[in-house]
Amino acid sequence: ETGVTQSPTHLIKTRGQQVTLRCSSQSGHNTVSWYQQALGQGPQFIFQYYREEENGRGNFPPRFSGLQFPNYSSELNVNALELDDSALYLCASTPDSMNTEAFFGQGTRLTVV
Amino acid sequence: DQQVKQNSPSLSVQEGRISILNCDYTNSMFDYFLWYKKYPAEGPTFLISISSIKDKNEDGRFTVFLNKSAKHLSLHIVPSQPGDSAVYFCAASLIDDNAGNMLTFGGGTRLMVKP
Repeated sequence: ETGVTQSPTHLIKTRGQQVTLRCSSQSGHNTVSWYQQALGQGPQFIFQYYREEENGRGNFPPRFSGLQFPNYSSELNVNALELDDSALYLCASTPDSMNTEAFFGQGTRLTVV
Repeated sequence: DQQVKQNSPSLSVQEGRISILNCDYTNSMFDYFLWYKKYPAEGPTFLISISSIKDKNEDGRFTVFLNKSAKHLSLHIVPSQPGDSAVYFCAASLIDDNAGNMLTFGGGTRLMVKP
């Protein structure tokens, strides 16, 4: 059973650029959620995808968007990067949209300069 | 508006003693509470959870207590081991029409267990 994997592990981008982060969900899991963890804070919910549809969204602007593919892997896209977008981005998967015990990947550390 | 709070940013405990990590919440609609453990350069790892209809759940050295009237939960680790040194996050689950099944996290408590 493979766990949640994210790529890349580290990334440096310039303000104004666009970035795509990737996540492979745990085998058998059809629901993927994305979280942003700023330094010294807890993770904050960005959005959730269930069976390729956005199933819910936190308090993030539209320049944060996502996709889920038929194999349940997912992408997080961020347009017009701002310095405050620098954070650890975590992907979590659950067996279905109702399950609460999420399994997290190791995260992607994004630095915006 | 921080709905889940961990008021102690750090805690230091001697090996073999009890570690007690605390968490407060404001939203009475939360239906499930979870504790996650995080080592540097790793994602959070699920530790233990409790449903809002229960007041205690135990798993080995880890016990979570829920006091709904006080909107407070705590994680007890007995006995504490040096390998328990990590950042611990309290999280609450809410199924929201607008946000799906989201976890709301506290800010974390760094636990240091001294040998």
